[in-house]
Amino acid sequence: RKEVEQDPGPFNVPEGATVAFNCTYSNSASQSFFWYRQDCRKEPKLLMSVYSSGNEDGRFTAQLNRASQYISLLIRDSKLSDSATYLCVVKGADYGGSQGNLIFGKGTKLSVKP
Amino acid sequence: DTGVSQDPRHKITKRGQNVTFRCDPISEHNRLYWYRQTLGQGPEFLTYFQNEAQLEKSRLLSDRFSAERPKGSFSTLEIQRTEQGDSAMYLCASSPAGTGRGSYNSPLHFGNGTRLTVT
Repeated sequence: RKEVEQDPGPFNVPEGATVAFNCTYSNSASQSFFWYRQDCRKEPKLLMSVYSSGNEDGRFTAQLNRASQYISLLIRDSKLSDSATYLCVVKGADYGGSQGNLIFGKGTKLSVKP
Repeated sequence: DTGVSQDPRHKITKRGQNVTFRCDPISEHNRLYWYRQTLGQGPEFLTYFQNEAQLEKSRLLSDRFSAERPKGSFSTLEIQRTEQGDSAMYLCASSPAGTGRGSYNSPLHFGNGTRLTVT
């Protein structure tokens, strides 16, 4: 089982749609969770951290379920500019004995159409 | 521009040659990371430094790869005897180490990457 797994998509949705991405992670000792966004041929950029109680940032909502080792990202009222690859990222002390590195999923590609 | 900068942006080399990439992190960031990304994959962790100390190196990293951060500022990544499978985007990132629980949520700031093509 891969350490961080995501559905690669692509998700093709119309403007204004609500879309949800899921991610599962294998290490129950994982401590921190993030969603990064990566535009084509660009570097990844932090979209939002994911907190245990769930958190919202404008049209974006992130949820964490530790029992199921599952993270989600919900995008409401999607815009053309939301088209990108969304990377699920996990940090945990047991990954190779390191407390510092982040493990990235392969990413889920979103394409928002007019 | 006070972001993470990487040099060169692109590098084309012949199989068997050595290449070296440079990364200048955000100046107040203690931690510096190297990742590798190929098409359709997420960034794959290679190694990271806290100040000048290399704290972790991926088990996937062969002996042909070496990274340094001698003064705790810029870092270099060298690949010796390059192979076609080394062709990828090499990403550098930095973050503040922080203290206590808050440090776990320090975001990574990535540079634009160095795209390596081995022919």
